[in-house]
This record gives sequence, C-alpha cells and structure tokens, in this order.
Amino acid sequence: NAGVTQTPKFQVLKTGQSMTLQCAQDMNHEYMSWYRQDPGMGLRLIHYSVGAGITDQGEVPNGYNVSRSTTEDFPLRLLSAAPSQTSVYFCASSTKGPTDTQYFGPGTRLTVL
Amino acid sequence: GEDVEQSLFLSVREGDSSVINCTYTDSSSTYLYWYKQEPGAGLQLLTYIFSNMDMKQDQRLTVLLNKKDKHLSLRIADTQTGDSAIYFCAETPPGTYKYIFGTGTRLKVLA
Repeated sequence: NAGVTQTPKFQVLKTGQSMTLQCAQDMNHEYMSWYRQDPGMGLRLIHYSVGAGITDQGEVPNGYNVSRSTTEDFPLRLLSAAPSQTSVYFCASSTKGPTDTQYFGPGTRLTVL
Repeated sequence: GEDVEQSLFLSVREGDSSVINCTYTDSSSTYLYWYKQEPGAGLQLLTYIFSNMDMKQDQRLTVLLNKKDKHLSLRIADTQTGDSAIYFCAETPPGTYKYIFGTGTRLKVLA
C-alpha cells in the first residue's frame, strides 16, 4: 500500500491563480480530511468527507472547495489564491471509528505571492 | 468555540523525562489523542486514551487524563534525541468525525 499520497510537494502561486491539491489513498478508508498547518496554530480542519459523495466544512473552509467522487480521491481546490493561503496542507484518511488511526500524507507546501 | 491549548516549546536533556501538557475545552470529547510530527513529515498517531480512563501506559509513553480539569498530559520516559519533534494533542467531540488539534509543542532533546 502506498498509504496517503499528496501532489505536488511544493507549489508557488500568484495571487488570483487557481489550483488543485491532489490527495489519494489506497486503504479503502471512508473518512478523508484536509488540514492546513500554520506556525503556532497547529492543524486546522478545512474540509472533510465521510464517504464518496459526502463532504462537509471544517473550521476554515473559506476559499477552498472539495469533492469526493470516489473513495480513493479527495482533491482540494483553491479557486483564487490569496497570500493568506500560504501554508502547509495535509491530507489524512481513516476508517470511521474514533480509535482508528488517521494516516497523514507528507504534505504540500504552498506559497502564494 | 473549540480550542485545544499547548505550550509551544519544551527542552529536556537526553535521558530525562519529558512532560507535554494539553488543555482541551470540550468536556464531552470521548477520545483524546497524541500525535508526533517529525521535520518535513506528516503526523503520526502515538497513542490515544478513552475519556473514562485516568491513565494509559505504552512502553515509554504515559498518558494522564484529568477530566475534571480537562487536562491531558504525555510523559516520555528516558527521552532520546529521536524524540525531538512537534507533539500535538487532539480530541474528537462526540457525534462528529472532526479531529480538533492543539497548537503543538516543539520538543527539543539536548544531548
């Protein structure tokens, strides 16, 4: 199993550009989520999904869109990038049980100029 | 709101014990977790504790839970340089699939 994969690892955007951060898992996990990590603020939940076709907002959803057309993939879209979206983005997946381990991807470091 | 607080930094000498503290605010959270993040990597689950437990021990790790004070701690015995990382506590409020993470504590182990 590859686990949770994220692409790209690094990205630089200009303000107003759009892009999609990719996340995929091959563990047949139902639960997937996106977090952003900023210094001194820990991880903040952006969006999450409890299964294909079902998504919901987390703490900081503004400026981001998600979809879950398959169990494996959970892309995060930035429609019009802003400097405030400069961050490290992590995707995670798990089965639905609260004691089940959340597996994290390696992260995408995004800089918006 | 839901806020999980941790001190930002902790420095210990190799071989000493480390204690990382966390204060959470949702007293109804059923599970509380400790994650470790090494430089340039994602988070890795270290351990978790169910809210009806006071203590859980797993090799060098001891988790203490004071539900009355909403205080969670992680003790690492015989701390090694490989334990240098950022440690996050997290909770899952009941009835949700959301993980609420703390701000993280950066542990530095001095040789």
